[in-house]
Amino acid sequence: DGGITQSPKYLFRKEGQNVTLSCEQNLNHDAMYWYRQDPGQGLRLIYYSQIVNDFQKGDIAEGYSVSREKKESFPLTVTSAQKNPTAFYLCASRPPGSSGNTIYFGEGSWLTVV
Amino acid sequence: AQSVAQPEDQVNVAEGNPLTVKCTYSVSGNPYLFWYVQYPNRGLQFLLKYITGDNLVKGSYGFEAEFNKSQTSFHLKKPSALVSDSALYFCAVSRDRGGYQKVTFGTGTKLQVIP
Repeated sequence: DGGITQSPKYLFRKEGQNVTLSCEQNLNHDAMYWYRQDPGQGLRLIYYSQIVNDFQKGDIAEGYSVSREKKESFPLTVTSAQKNPTAFYLCASRPPGSSGNTIYFGEGSWLTVV
Repeated sequence: AQSVAQPEDQVNVAEGNPLTVKCTYSVSGNPYLFWYVQYPNRGLQFLLKYITGDNLVKGSYGFEAEFNKSQTSFHLKKPSALVSDSALYFCAVSRDRGGYQKVTFGTGTKLQVIP
């Protein structure tokens, strides 16, 4: 089946550690996104990539980093510089061409700092 | 800047009754409007979207939404609610322009369908 796979589903991190969340898609979409979801705040854009080897900061990029070495993969690293990383993280992708094209989401990853 | 407002944090409706989840937007130019649903601990699932044409858009699971340009609204509706419709609903807006256009999401409305 085509879709977006995020792993792990649950991740615990000690303060001061970096962690990487995986996102893989087999939809052949060019554009990929990372969102953060906090209760009552909707979704906030962390980073996006429209094409391989290129990515742009979103609204809340501080403390995060990404790479886009392959079309299928867009991993997100939550660094120790992110002051409040506990959240639900959603990866998404969209086919090219129009802003009217639908964004498709993965199942999300919970990150908890302990 | 574009924005989406979902004025109700929670909507309660009895099973079998019609439901409405409200959404208003602000964007320059022509809007693209989306509704998504999220079940607990899951990703967002696409329900329907308005791009152009008929103001009444039909989507998945019997949901529909009406685009009202004068009121800048895109309310989600369903004629008869099911308990299984209980979830978190997000409205989103983008705009009709070339290149990358940001998608802005509302804060979500929790729908509770009471048996």
